[in-house]
Amino acid sequence: AQSVTQLGSHVSVSEGALVLLRCNYSSSVPPYLFWYVQYPNQGLQLLLKYTTGATLVKGINGFEAEFKKSETSFHLTKPSAHMSDAAEYFCAVSGWMGGGATNKLIFGTGTLLAVQP
Amino acid sequence: SAVISQKPSRDICQRGTSLTIQCQVDSQVTMMFWYRQQPGQSLTLIATANQGSEATYESGFVIDKFPISRPNLTFSTLTVSNMSPEDSSIYLCSVVGQNGELFFGEGSRLTVL
Repeated sequence: AQSVTQLGSHVSVSEGALVLLRCNYSSSVPPYLFWYVQYPNQGLQLLLKYTTGATLVKGINGFEAEFKKSETSFHLTKPSAHMSDAAEYFCAVSGWMGGGATNKLIFGTGTLLAVQP
Repeated sequence: SAVISQKPSRDICQRGTSLTIQCQVDSQVTMMFWYRQQPGQSLTLIATANQGSEATYESGFVIDKFPISRPNLTFSTLTVSNMSPEDSSIYLCSVVGQNGELFFGEGSRLTVL
């Protein structure tokens, strides 16, 4: 069984400030972890993913996330927020079973990021 | 990554009617997924659609309410039947990439009056 918890449904930062969006997961198999972004009135866009290997993964738009197995976390960060980063961010988990992925992504409840000028 | 097109992009429907949402992918894929995103909420998987077999529904979703077709490897439809205001949501079609990530269409925004 897998689950995702995103702490903070709303996060507000000032332009230029650090962005930190928290995600903790629970998984009975080695997890595959994802961050998606949803801009207003649009579908979901993949920001970055962790599958295996390096635990610090870099994504688009300057975002990165670190997989910490001991903390069961996959927090999303960006050193300096831009106004264009204002969107909703979803953390998701899936797990490989046998020879292939479950293909079922379990999504967190989302974090709405506001960027203040 | 795959390019996924959904139609309609949005619609306003009357209670008791049905709406069919189409999903077209620019490459052949084995599995397609339909998700629902209710207002202010996260995504919930409705069903998995495999070509040549019946869709597999998640707990809380039934075929009579959400019939799905998958006639070939690039196309699927989801019908929302006998709609009520509670069905007002964004419905998203998705396909899986090489590493288990999902690629999504733009979504179909449904409002039921």
